[in-house]
Amino acid sequence: EDQVTQSPEALRLQEGESSSLNCSYTVSGLRGLFWYRQDPGKGPEFLFTLYSAGEEKEKERLKATLTKKESFLHITAPKPEDSATYLCAVQAFQGAQKLVFGQGTRLTINP
Amino acid sequence: NAGVTQTPKFRVLKTGQSMTLLCAQDMNHEYMYWYRQDPGMGLRLIHYSVGEGTTAKGEVPDGYNVSRLKKQNFLLGLESAAPSQTSVYFCASRLAGDLLNEQFFGPGTRLTVL
Repeated sequence: EDQVTQSPEALRLQEGESSSLNCSYTVSGLRGLFWYRQDPGKGPEFLFTLYSAGEEKEKERLKATLTKKESFLHITAPKPEDSATYLCAVQAFQGAQKLVFGQGTRLTINP
Repeated sequence: NAGVTQTPKFRVLKTGQSMTLLCAQDMNHEYMYWYRQDPGMGLRLIHYSVGEGTTAKGEVPDGYNVSRLKKQNFLLGLESAAPSQTSVYFCASRLAGDLLNEQFFGPGTRLTVL
């Protein structure tokens, strides 16, 4: 059974304090790994897709990386507007129409 | 371009009542999905559709039915609501073709079953 585990569940940082969020996965053949951002009371918003181990993608203060067992979302010099819940999801080759989501990491950036 | 919209935004039901949640998208996407989101459990797939007139079961389909009569609409029905169906429901859609096309999500419907 495909599984995604995110850690930590919650993370509180000071503005400018860099850190990383972890997404560990077990999947029978990874087709792709997705990162989404979710603000309170809203739907998830797409950030990145990673396809293969070693791949990296960046967007503003965020950088996502992928290994064969996990993905990291690195946040460099975060600002309060980066506060949100970050969701990780995997898509397997089998049952490729579906995404399996982790439970998310709730990130709070204090000014 | 409204993207993915969901109706209603909030609803309170009594146990045993029925209701239909409506999802509409104006992006001409072939694939549509219904998820539920519960605290500490992440998003779980209820049902999905790969095209007009087709539907398939996801991870947690029991107690729900769906219909995709028009390409732009995907309806989720609860025939006899139960307190365990209290949740936030999200609809999503994506383009066909490249299986790694991202899903676009609606704003959600918060449902409480008393």
